[in-house]
Amino acid sequence: KAGVTQTPRYLIKTRGQQVTLSCSPISGHRSVSWYQQTPGQGLQFLFEYFSETQRNKGNFPGRFSGRQFSNSRSEMNVSTLELGDSALYLCASSPMGGHEKLFFGSGTQLSVL
Amino acid sequence: QQQVKQSPQSLIVQKGGISIINCAYENTAFDYFPWYQQFPGKGPALLIAIRPDVSEKKEGRFTISFNKSAKQFSLHIMDSQPGDSATYFCAASPTGGFKTIFGAGTRLFVKA
Repeated sequence: KAGVTQTPRYLIKTRGQQVTLSCSPISGHRSVSWYQQTPGQGLQFLFEYFSETQRNKGNFPGRFSGRQFSNSRSEMNVSTLELGDSALYLCASSPMGGHEKLFFGSGTQLSVL
Repeated sequence: QQQVKQSPQSLIVQKGGISIINCAYENTAFDYFPWYQQFPGKGPALLIAIRPDVSEKKEGRFTISFNKSAKQFSLHIMDSQPGDSATYFCAASPTGGFKTIFGAGTRLFVKA
């Protein structure tokens, strides 16, 4: 089975722009979660989707949004980028109905200049 | 209440030694406690996990010890190898919460 695929791998944007990141979960996994990883804050939970429904959301501003499609693929969008949004964005899929056994992709490294 | 506190921040161990990483939590609703291992340039990978009804779980050289009354759990890596050099995250997930809270991470370096 192919692992979790995230595209693009690297992204450079300027302040004020918006960005869309993509995640393809492992085949058969219906739960997709997004995390922001920074050296100072560690792994911070953004949101989780299951069968196209957002079931939980972390403490991030409304500029961060996501969605899941009927094939379980997911996208997250960040609008009006700020310098502090520079981070590694990780997507994880889970085969379970809950939030166990997360399988992470290698992430998208976003740099905001 | 949502936090998971992890220590130490970094750890240097000699090859063949025991690496010990500790975590503590507050939220009694947590019922699943995984450990993840992350190598540079990769996403975290599940290493081992435990539920609070068990005090210890062992998989190969990796052991989780769990103390429910103290709300603490720890990862022991026996016979540590240079290939174990990575960042380790403890985590916790609440029942029906559909989220996993991660500790800040421990950077482990095993000296050959």
